[in-house]
Amino acid sequence: DAGVIQSPRHEVTEMGQEVTLRCKPISGHNSLFWYRQTMMRGLELLIYFNNNVPIDDSGMPEDRFSAKMPNASFSTLKIQPSEPRDSAVYFCASSLLGFGSPEQYFGPGTRLTVT
Amino acid sequence: AQKVTQAQTEISVVEKEDVTLDCVYETRDTTYYLFWYKQPPSGELVFLIRRNSFDEQNEISGRYSWNFQKSTSSFNFTITASQVVDSAVYFCALSTQGGSEKLVFGKGTKLTVNP
Repeated sequence: DAGVIQSPRHEVTEMGQEVTLRCKPISGHNSLFWYRQTMMRGLELLIYFNNNVPIDDSGMPEDRFSAKMPNASFSTLKIQPSEPRDSAVYFCASSLLGFGSPEQYFGPGTRLTVT
Repeated sequence: AQKVTQAQTEISVVEKEDVTLDCVYETRDTTYYLFWYKQPPSGELVFLIRRNSFDEQNEISGRYSWNFQKSTSSFNFTITASQVVDSAVYFCALSTQGGSEKLVFGKGTKLTVNP
């Protein structure tokens, strides 16, 4: 079975540019999570969706960040405009919440570098 | 509030040694889940195990074993006869129904197994 798919795997962009990260969750999972990992702050939950609806976006750092989940098999995380401090690894994860198997399965991550 | 503490920032052992990674958690919820994830140098986050708060049975999977003790709020992870391939950062995590089943991660323990 395919795991969580993320694209691109690496992104290098200049400050001020728009960046869009993409995620395809595991088929049948009802929840999707976006995380950011940096050396300084560790793993941070940015936002999560349940049944395509955003449930908690309290971790989104500021208005430059936005996330959408138009259907059960696709989500995007957009940063506009990007800044050097956004450089991090962004992970997408999915799970089947509410059915006794809450473990999250992570994608390979997108390493974002903003110069 | 939920919290996970991994007091060991880094551990270094020689191959074939046994090593235990500590995890202490805090929650007021009576129903919760505990997890361990592995992040090898390649960067992906790999799910290892989930335990729920009603099941204190210890678990063994090959060279890996987990000791869950509610009395001390601990969920420790032991690797027996460590191997170089075990070198990774290991994260302990907690989710609770009261926390909408969001994962709360510890800061991770970096394990280095030297040949």
